[in-house]
Amino acid sequence: NAGVTQTPKFQVLKTGQSMTLQCAQDMNHNSMYWYRQDPGMGLRLIYYSASEGTTDKGEVPNGYNVSRLNKREFSLRLESAAPSQTSVYFCASSERDLYGYTFGSGTRLTVV
Amino acid sequence: SQQGEEDPQALSIQEGENATMNCSYKTSINNLQWYRQNSGRGLVHLILIRSNEREKHSGRLRVTLDTSKKSSSLLITASRAADTASYFCATDGSGGSYIPTFGRGTSLIVHP
Repeated sequence: NAGVTQTPKFQVLKTGQSMTLQCAQDMNHNSMYWYRQDPGMGLRLIYYSASEGTTDKGEVPNGYNVSRLNKREFSLRLESAAPSQTSVYFCASSERDLYGYTFGSGTRLTVV
Repeated sequence: SQQGEEDPQALSIQEGENATMNCSYKTSINNLQWYRQNSGRGLVHLILIRSNEREKHSGRLRVTLDTSKKSSSLLITASRAADTASYFCATDGSGGSYIPTFGRGTSLIVHP
């Protein structure tokens, strides 16, 4: 099925460990986004990539890095995980504002 | 910071009733979108309304936009138990920014 694929779906990390969340879309969208969702906070933008080769910080970028590997793939890296990064992470893609945003199913990350 | 804010935070109704939820935002927008999120899942795009549109329909959904009041409403008619979900509005800026900003959502429970 066409859409946004995120891996892994679940992950438990120890404080200080690193990991990369992967995201790939097959809709030929130019823009991709990483959000985190915490209870009572809605979705907050971490980083986005308006087009291949560009990345920009969102509302809550501290502690994260991203790579727009190619048009399809946009990864999110936690270099040294902290308990405050326990959250559900969503990747999304869009073709600017034409048709709305397509979301992946999320990665549930727990940092202990 | 959230651009859009949904109201009410929670809504509980009986099957067959209509559900209305509202979204207010702070700055001018290009468009406003509504999304649904079922528990533990990613967000699903429902409808997009542009700043020059006042009303839009999609099946049992009706969305209105009042740019003078910086507000939108989502009406779900003849609700079903399957409509139980969280509903989010998302806005982006008219200053050339197409980055979606989400509210905290309205949690809708439809009792069979």
